[in-house]
Amino acid sequence: ETGVTQSPTHLIKTRGQQVTLRCSSQSGHNTVSWYQQALGQGPQFIFQYYREEENGRGNFPPRFSGLQFPNYSSELNVNALELDDSALYLCASSWTGNYGYTFGSGTRLTVV
Amino acid sequence: SQQGEEDPQALSIQEGENATMNCSYKTSINNLQWYRQNSGRGLVHLILIRSNEREKHSGRLRVTLDTSKKSSSLLITASRAADTASYFCATDASNTGNQFYFGTGTSLTVIP
Repeated sequence: ETGVTQSPTHLIKTRGQQVTLRCSSQSGHNTVSWYQQALGQGPQFIFQYYREEENGRGNFPPRFSGLQFPNYSSELNVNALELDDSALYLCASSWTGNYGYTFGSGTRLTVV
Repeated sequence: SQQGEEDPQALSIQEGENATMNCSYKTSINNLQWYRQNSGRGLVHLILIRSNEREKHSGRLRVTLDTSKKSSSLLITASRAADTASYFCATDASNTGNQFYFGTGTSLTVIP
């Protein structure tokens, strides 16, 4: 199956709670990157995973953490949610050496 | 920040006209990509241009890259209503490998 799938598509959480977002990478892709996109802004790089190890991180606090599994699926975990965490979270997969990303449709997180 | 910046922020044209968007960035890059995003959904990869290339074509898209000016342009010829979307440039710093940083985007509206 091709394409990147993300779940859930929408989510509402309360400030202080924890959330886990999931991503299934495109078949054959071994690298996954997560982005946060606030309304009206460009995507901001959170971190990237390659072969289950973090391979670079943007300017996000440690309460943003991730995992990549042997089948290259991935999770983004956010602890102690803040109102400003409300955004579209995008997962993108790629194959090392092929620099084009394939993006999922995103998870819209609303923190109230 | 190595994040790119697109110009203009918004562009409105008639169907059939050409649309030109520009991107400026701050650091040396390995390559630059352009993406399209419809209505806050996932991004679609349009075209990649490497730092040693000056121009690239893909269908109705033409991308130029001027590394001396740290800028790129995306030209969409014979625009269609379906081209209405936000367009982002994404750059990777030469020392970060396959990690991309997005600009703020150009919102294109093509009027039928």
